[in-house]
Amino acid sequence: DAGVIQSPRHEVTEMGQEVTLRCKPISGHDYLFWYRQTMMRGLELLIYFNNNVPIDDSGMPEDRFSAKMPNASFSTLKIQPSEPRDSAVYFCASSGLAGGRIGELFFGEGSRLTVL
Amino acid sequence: AQRVTQPEKLLSVFKGAPVELKCNYSYSGSPELFWYVQYSRQRLQLLLRHISRESIKGFTADLNKGETSFHLKKPFAQEEDSAMYYCALSEGITGGGNKLTFGTGTQLKVEL
Repeated sequence: DAGVIQSPRHEVTEMGQEVTLRCKPISGHDYLFWYRQTMMRGLELLIYFNNNVPIDDSGMPEDRFSAKMPNASFSTLKIQPSEPRDSAVYFCASSGLAGGRIGELFFGEGSRLTVL
Repeated sequence: AQRVTQPEKLLSVFKGAPVELKCNYSYSGSPELFWYVQYSRQRLQLLLRHISRESIKGFTADLNKGETSFHLKKPFAQEEDSAMYYCALSEGITGGGNKLTFGTGTQLKVEL
């Protein structure tokens, strides 16, 4: 298994543009998490899904952010319109009863977003 | 609300010296605590969990409920230990999920 796959790895865009980040979780995992990493705040949980259903989106900063999980193998995080303060590394992680130690989160390599 | 505090952004030690990465937490329930590590150019990955009382790569961490701490320790630092270390607290979810609250991380640098 290639692990959690995220795309794009790097994205540079201009303020006001729409940004879409993508994630493919590990097959068989039923939990999917989106985190944002910044120097000042570290890793912050934005939203998580269980069996494709959003469970807690209290970490989503504002209405400009939205996330979907149309099926068990794909999720998107969208920012529209983007702002410079959204610049960060966005991580996707998945977990499930299959594989790994109980409760272990498996992270993707991250998507580094720069908004000019 | 739960909170995880890692007071040091950067910790620099010499090879062979003892290492202690500090982590304090606040949580009203019974916590599950973890250490995650991110080596250069690698993914963030689980290092150890308090519930397993395990030693991984020579690292151990003891949960001290009185001091609400979960410090990560290693008696003799190795060059390959240089990495970013995150302490994390789980609210616990039924099944295979863990909603983790992370600290801000400590960059460990082991010098020769």
